[in-house]
Amino acid sequence: NAGVMQNPRHLVRRRGQEARLRCSPVKGHSHVYWYRQLPEEGLKFMVYLQKENIIDESGMPKERFSAEFPKEGPSILRIQQVVRGDSAAYFCASSPVAGSGNTIYFGEGSWLTVV
Amino acid sequence: QQPVQSPQAVILREGEDAVINCSSSKALYSVHWYRQKHGEAPVFLMILLKGGEQMRHEKISASFNEKKQQSSLYLTASQLSYSGTYFCGTGYNNNDMRFGAGTRLTVKP
Repeated sequence: NAGVMQNPRHLVRRRGQEARLRCSPVKGHSHVYWYRQLPEEGLKFMVYLQKENIIDESGMPKERFSAEFPKEGPSILRIQQVVRGDSAAYFCASSPVAGSGNTIYFGEGSWLTVV
Repeated sequence: QQPVQSPQAVILREGEDAVINCSSSKALYSVHWYRQKHGEAPVFLMILLKGGEQMRHEKISASFNEKKQQSSLYLTASQLSYSGTYFCGTGYNNNDMRFGAGTRLTVKP
């Protein structure tokens, strides 16, 4: 299966700990989006990255959240000092080239629970 | 900026039709439609790029109006498998992708 791979699928963290979510895009895709989904809600845009560049991070909270997509390896969404409100499903999606004119493919999601 | 979807929820009997709308206050670069089952990833249905365009995925079709500010998803002769939440995703330029709040569709036997 050469689809978007996310791990871990489920992650439990205590308040104040760090959460790291990883996303390996479809092979050959160089563009990655991260979305957050609260229970029974929509997909909220967080950040859009190309290899080694953050293109649009307007949806990222100003503090505690960061994202990267290095030249080698998966994209990482990092949440420091997690709080209960961070509990959500985090979806990664990838596309082969820039732009909303192309299909983006979603991973299975990472479910973060903060206790 | 994110698109506005309506209705928020629809309940149908098997075989009935439904329409889901997605609108924006300004012209869109593209519209994408996805379906998400509970606890699963959104699955791509179709993409529309041109004003006036219509696309089809099995018995589900979609249109994109001439001004490129509204798209509608048409579910014909609905099946139980159509149940899920439908999202429209829209791009205002060639980079971003924002999603509407979703429309929850329930098809009952």
